[in-house]
Amino acid sequence: KAGVTQTPRYLIKTRGQQVTLSCSPISGHRSVSWYQQTPGQGLQFLFEYFSETQRNKGNFPGRFSGRQFSNSRSEMNVSTLELGDSALYLCASSSPQGYQETQYFGPGTRLLVL
Amino acid sequence: AQSVAQPEDQVNVAEGNPLTVKCTYSVSGNPYLFWYVQYPNRGLQFLLKYITGDNLVKGSYGFEAEFNKSQTSFHLKKPSALVSDSALYFCAVRDVGGGSYIPTFGRGTSLIVHP
Repeated sequence: KAGVTQTPRYLIKTRGQQVTLSCSPISGHRSVSWYQQTPGQGLQFLFEYFSETQRNKGNFPGRFSGRQFSNSRSEMNVSTLELGDSALYLCASSSPQGYQETQYFGPGTRLLVL
Repeated sequence: AQSVAQPEDQVNVAEGNPLTVKCTYSVSGNPYLFWYVQYPNRGLQFLLKYITGDNLVKGSYGFEAEFNKSQTSFHLKKPSALVSDSALYFCAVRDVGGGSYIPTFGRGTSLIVHP
């Protein structure tokens, strides 16, 4: 099976712009989660989608949003970018058996905000 | 609120020696515990998990971890370290039944295996 794919892999934006990141889960996986990884804050959970519904949401401002499509692909959007949004954004997918299931991570999208 | 602590930022071990990467957690319900490894410029890779049952969990690449409920720990171990094990290791927990299923990750432990 192909793994989790994320596009783009690298992105440079300026403050105030908005960005959309894409994640394609492993075939058959219906749950997709997003994480932000920074040297200062570590790995932080953004949100989780299951069958097009947001199931959980982390403690991030409303500038961070996401959605999931009927084919389980997911996008996350960050509006009005700030310098502190520079991070590695990781997507993970899992099969629909519940919270005990293993998450499979993509390679990430590295976002740099100037 | 749930939390995970990885008390060591870095662990150094000689190749061939046993290694331990420590993880303690705090939850109000029952824990689902996970270990992941991250190589430079890569996403996380799953190593092993504890959901229920046997306290000793065996995972990928010869790693194992022991769930200790009384000490609220889930330390990662390997009997004989390889240089290729050098990477960043993350412990994670989901608090099942505690009201929040959001996964919480530790800050990571950098494992350096010296030849």
